[in-house]
Amino acid sequence: KQEVTQIPAALSVPEGENLVLNCSFTDSAIYNLQWFRQDPGKGLTSLLLIQSSQREQTSGRLNASLDKSSGRSTLYIAASQPGDSATYLCAVEGATSGTYKYIFGTGTRLKVLA
Amino acid sequence: DAGITQSPRHKVTETGTPVTLRCHQTENHRYMYWYRQDPGHGLRLIHYSYGVKDTDKGEVSDGYSVSRSKTEDFLLTLESATSSQTSVYFCAISGGLAGGTYNEQFFGPGTRLTVL
Repeated sequence: KQEVTQIPAALSVPEGENLVLNCSFTDSAIYNLQWFRQDPGKGLTSLLLIQSSQREQTSGRLNASLDKSSGRSTLYIAASQPGDSATYLCAVEGATSGTYKYIFGTGTRLKVLA
Repeated sequence: DAGITQSPRHKVTETGTPVTLRCHQTENHRYMYWYRQDPGHGLRLIHYSYGVKDTDKGEVSDGYSVSRSKTEDFLLTLESATSSQTSVYFCAISGGLAGGTYNEQFFGPGTRLTVL
């Protein structure tokens, strides 16, 4: 059974710091990994999707990397801002869950202090 | 965001009553999903649909049923609501070419359901 873990569960950093969020998965036979952002009381917003054949994806200040062999993805946020404060979730689509079905981590709650 | 609406957005109901939540999309995506989100459990898949009238169970499907009679609408029904079904319910879609890769998931705003 695929398990997706995000550690730490919560993180506070001062504004301007570069930071890394982690996502680990137990079954390396994945098709895609997607990173989301969720603001309090809101739905999930898609940030980046990395296909299994890719090593990384970039969007603005965000860079997501994927290492299937080690079962790990990282989301790098450059020059963090208070507006980046949110919960970040990763989700994995793979052989265990089935095509077009996703297993979610429980998220990392990020607070960027002004 | 990706043309996904959920109704109602908030609902309070009593134990034993039937409840139907609606998800509507304007993106013509093939796949639609219902998740519930609870503290300590994260997002868990209830049911999903891979086409009109084609549905399948997720990991927490007991007590829930779904229907999809049109591409754009996916209904989630709680046959007889229980307090354990108090949660935030999210609809999601994927399987469309708009906005990114075919497998990318997009989420609705959520429905907060309270069962007393």
